Amino acid sequence: GALVYQYPRRTICKSGTSMRMECQAVGFQATSVAWYRQSPQKTFELIALSTVNSAIKYEQNFTQEKFPISHPNLSFSSMTVLNAYLEDRGLYLCGARESGTVNSDYTFGSGTRLLVI
Amino acid sequence: GMPVEQNPPALSLYEGADSGLRCNFSTTMKSVQWFQQNHRGRLITLFYLAQGTKENGRLKSTFNSKERYSTLHIKDAQLEDSGTYFCAAATNSAGNKLTFGIGTRVLVRP
Repeated sequence: GALVYQYPRRTICKSGTSMRMECQAVGFQATSVAWYRQSPQKTFELIALSTVNSAIKYEQNFTQEKFPISHPNLSFSSMTVLNAYLEDRGLYLCGARESGTVNSDYTFGSGTRLLVI
Repeated sequence: GMPVEQNPPALSLYEGADSGLRCNFSTTMKSVQWFQQNHRGRLITLFYLAQGTKENGRLKSTFNSKERYSTLHIKDAQLEDSGTYFCAAATNSAGNKLTFGIGTRVLVRP
């Protein structure tokens, strides 16, 4: 079956430092990878959508300078939170999808929970 | 308004009861997914629908693209159904950009 693994599961970083999180797709080709943040008491905010062979599209309020993303192949993506501050805390979820299949649904990982101190 | 409006925000029901959740969309969506988020944060896919109705055990979901809504129905609720449920709709033409509802926190009581 289709699985997505994210690591680390949780991490703590000091304010002003950076933190990298990874996303691994198993059992399917991650043609599209979407990174979301779920802040406390909030729903999911889309940070950016990466599609192989296309430019990464960032949503309003999120920038490549702050959240650089790499999507080098059809099974892996990473995102870094640069200069993390309190407002960056939350659960970061990676969802991956293989386009062109019958059920082109997203499979999500368990997330990386970021705590900033 | 919001592209995806999910109701109710919270739902409390007793074991064995039936209930439903609904998402209304501001525009025509290509597809919808329903998720259950467990206490660890993992999003478990319940349904993916491009149209019509699907059932899986005690859960049933309907997506009507033309009428711009989707529903999730829980039948004979069990304690393990407790959690937060989210609908998410594909809002772009490629179908790869999901917009989430605010979630419904479901509590099943014995």
